[in-house]
Amino acid sequence: SAVISQKPSRDICQRGTSLTIQCQVDSQVTMMFWYRQQPGQSLTLIATANQGSEATYESGFVIDKFPISRPNLTFSTLTVSNMSPEDSSIYLCSGVTGAHEQFFGPGTRLTVL
Amino acid sequence: GENVEQHPSTLSVQEGDSAVIKCTYSDSASNYFPWYKQELGKGPQLIIDIRSNVGEKKDQRIAVTLNKTAKHFSLHITETQPEDSAVYFCAASHGDSWGKLQFGAGTQVVVTP
Repeated sequence: SAVISQKPSRDICQRGTSLTIQCQVDSQVTMMFWYRQQPGQSLTLIATANQGSEATYESGFVIDKFPISRPNLTFSTLTVSNMSPEDSSIYLCSGVTGAHEQFFGPGTRLTVL
Repeated sequence: GENVEQHPSTLSVQEGDSAVIKCTYSDSASNYFPWYKQELGKGPQLIIDIRSNVGEKKDQRIAVTLNKTAKHFSLHITETQPEDSAVYFCAASHGDSWGKLQFGAGTQVVVTP
């Protein structure tokens, strides 16, 4: 298995500002992903965080809004840029182990005022 | 792309009874089907998964069945306990998009003592 931590656990931000979320995995994972979970809803994949290269974004998500970095096998960041109240959500990081199991972090609860 | 439907959206059971959650998927290429349990304020926790070369998998009180022909899979929880109360999500992915999970809408399970 993999233990995944995220920082911050929650934040309240003003519209127009940006927030960077950090994700740390305790062991090497083959893949890392970022998901969004709006209140009371299911999870939606934002992007695949690729080590040392640009992330791969899903339809409806763009790099200018959600820049992602993954400098090594166990760490990734997601930035939510130029925030609006519609960005209020839970942002979740995940990692896939060599056994192809996907584990999630505890999430970052973002409120934009 | 893949579409996963999950039923029911809410499920109330008496402690000790069984709970069954059903999911259907649309992409016949999907070959990996995990189930997650999400407690309030926490990230999703992987509880069991099944791959397309297996019809059934069991882990203590939890079991998952897969019918590839009908493209549906189910989660069975026996002898339910109050700590089983949570939101349960099914998901699917396939080899070409390994790790990119498409989630169902979730089932709120409430176990009453």
